[in-house]
Amino acid sequence: EIVLTQSPGTLSLSPGERATLSCRASQSISSYYLAWYQQKPGQAPRLLIYGASSRAAGIPDRFSGSGSGTDFSLTISRLEPEDFAVYYCQQYGHSPLFSFGPGTKVDIK
Amino acid sequence: EVQLVESGGGVVRPGGSLRLSCAASGFTFGDYGMSWVRQRPGKGLEWVSGTNWNGGSSNYADSVKGRFIMSRDNTKNSLYLQMNSLRAEDTAFYYCARGYADLYYFDYWGQGALVTVSS
Repeated sequence: EIVLTQSPGTLSLSPGERATLSCRASQSISSYYLAWYQQKPGQAPRLLIYGASSRAAGIPDRFSGSGSGTDFSLTISRLEPEDFAVYYCQQYGHSPLFSFGPGTKVDIK
Repeated sequence: EVQLVESGGGVVRPGGSLRLSCAASGFTFGDYGMSWVRQRPGKGLEWVSGTNWNGGSSNYADSVKGRFIMSRDNTKNSLYLQMNSLRAEDTAFYYCARGYADLYYFDYWGQGALVTVSS
C-alpha cells in the first residue's frame, strides 16, 4: 500500500508570500498519476494540478506543480487572500487505486 | 457547465442501508469514468469507489468492499452508491466526482451528501 505524506501540516504565511507544499510517496509513482486539490471550508475539493505539473482549467498561473519519483511539490508564487485553504495531493495506480495525502493547511499569519 | 448533484444522504442506524444518487449534467456522462470520494467530518479525503464509462468495471476501497455497490445509468445521466451494513465509521460527506481510471484524477466534484450512521 502506498502512503502519501504531506508537509508541513500547517503553513502560516502572509498574503503576497510564496508557499511551497511537499508531498512524499512511500514508493515511486509516475508523475503522470499525481494531482493536487484545494479545499475551502464547506466546499468540495477543486482540482488544481494533474500529471504533477499541468494546471487544470481556470487555475491561475501562480499555482505550479513539480516533482518526480517520490517527491512532489505545489508552489503558490504569491498568496492571494482566496488561497488560504487546505491542499491535498492524490495518487493513482497503487493499492488502493486512489489515495490522498493528509493535507496541508495554509492559513493567514 | 459541468454539474454533479448528490442526493439521498441522511441519518441511518448501524447495520442499515442507504442509496446515494448523483445527477450529472453539462457533459456527455457516458464518456467518463466516475467515482465516489468521502470525507469524514473534519478529516481528509478517502476514495470509496469508481466505475468505468459503462459500469462494466468497478473498484472499491477495502474499507467498503462487500458492503457498498456502485452503479450507473447512462440513459439517466446518473450515478449511484448503494451502501449496506453501514457502520459509524461510514459517517461522512460523500462526493460524486468525475474521473476514474481514464483520467487518473477528479476534475469535477459535487457539493457532497452527508451520511450519518448513528443509533
